[in-house]
Amino acid sequence: DQQVKQNSPSLSVQEGRISILNCDYTNSMFDYFLWYKKYPAEGPTFLISISSIKDKNEDGRFTVFLNKSAKHLSLHIVPSQPGDSAVYFCAASSPRGGSNYKLTFGKGTLLTVNP
Amino acid sequence: GAVVSQHPSRVICKSGTSVKIECRSLDFQATTMFWYRQFPKQSLMLMATSNEGSKATYEQGVEKDKFLINHASLTLSTLTVTSAHPEDSSFYICSARVSRDTEAFFGQGTRLTVV
Repeated sequence: DQQVKQNSPSLSVQEGRISILNCDYTNSMFDYFLWYKKYPAEGPTFLISISSIKDKNEDGRFTVFLNKSAKHLSLHIVPSQPGDSAVYFCAASSPRGGSNYKLTFGKGTLLTVNP
Repeated sequence: GAVVSQHPSRVICKSGTSVKIECRSLDFQATTMFWYRQFPKQSLMLMATSNEGSKATYEQGVEKDKFLINHASLTLSTLTVTSAHPEDSSFYICSARVSRDTEAFFGQGTRLTVV
């Protein structure tokens, strides 16, 4: 049972436009969410995160929105740049308690930004 | 930000041999590290959680005798793929997280090819 879902395997946008990547989760105990960017043959790079006490977090061109009632979050990139082309993973922090800080990842969305 | 270093980045080995992958946290102490495996065009699959000074916790379906994990110090965890077979060829990534309210930092990944 996949607890974090990224239903769009790929997304293509034009340079300068907005990229919107979506993520849904099923476990209501998740309370910390992260977005990672990954290039082929490299480890993921952290982009931005959001705690469940917030509904928006912004960092430069990247904004993450969280809708707890819908168990949905999205990453907005604006303006999109060709260098943003990569696979984007949504991740959620495991339930509260103990020292287990493991993350549950979605399957990723391949973003292609066309010049 | 914190740095996690993974070595080697690429390794080719013969079937039946063992391969050790190292993961080091360079500027922080990581009581917990995670080992992931990524198949082509798929998500990051958590293999095991490595706890300093104690046995690793393996995810369902991961053979603990096949993938030996040792977390001997607060800055080093190792993954040994024993008696490697071609189907073990994959991209292995480690990560460490300081707390449950911060991002996880990932190593560069290791591309293992078993011939």
